[in-house]
Amino acid sequence: AQSVTQLGSHVSVSEGALVLLRCNYSSSVPPYLFWYVQYPNQGLQLLLKYTSAATLVKGINGFEAEFKKSETSFHLTKPSAHMSDAAEYFCAVSESGYGGSQGNLIFGKGTKLSVKP
Amino acid sequence: EAGVAQSPRYKIIEKRQSVAFWCNPISGHATLYWYQQILGQGPKLLIQFQNNGVVDDSQLPKDRFSAERLKGVDSTLKIQPAKLEDSAVYLCASSRPAGLATLVSYEQYFGPGTRLTVT
Repeated sequence: AQSVTQLGSHVSVSEGALVLLRCNYSSSVPPYLFWYVQYPNQGLQLLLKYTSAATLVKGINGFEAEFKKSETSFHLTKPSAHMSDAAEYFCAVSESGYGGSQGNLIFGKGTKLSVKP
Repeated sequence: EAGVAQSPRYKIIEKRQSVAFWCNPISGHATLYWYQQILGQGPKLLIQFQNNGVVDDSQLPKDRFSAERLKGVDSTLKIQPAKLEDSAVYLCASSRPAGLATLVSYEQYFGPGTRLTVT
């Protein structure tokens, strides 16, 4: 069975500091991995995805994540935090493969990012 | 392109009442998902449709929850009767895959959600 663990339910950084949000996954088959961002009272927006191509994935708003199979990790980083990055971030995993239920996403519990001026 | 639309955005009901949520996916997206997001948790899949057929409803509490996707476009999710623990945000998402032979990217597009409060 697949699962996702996000370390730290709340992360606080200063504006301009490095952002590091941690995600570890468990999957019995090669995974597809995603990071989504959720702003208050809004739905989820895809930041980036890993689908077995390059292990370093670049997303929107300056975020990137690196797939490390040996560590079963997919941590999200951004070199310099901006006030507008304050939101909740969710890591998700799905099974690779063809259609049907393999498309289902399993989400972590989320990490709320606060950015201090 | 227009995003996933959901209504209503907010709903407050008393326990044992019924409620229905509506979702209109992105045009051309064959797959539609309903998720339940309880406060402080990540979204949990309730049901997945491909066109108008159910692909996965293993986590749908079928004694009180039902969903349909007539004509393979819009979808409704109903709760009857509601319980206090059903208080959550209900998210609808859609994606492009249209067949079991399609290698999918699994990119799902989410609507803004319906926040349900059961008192």
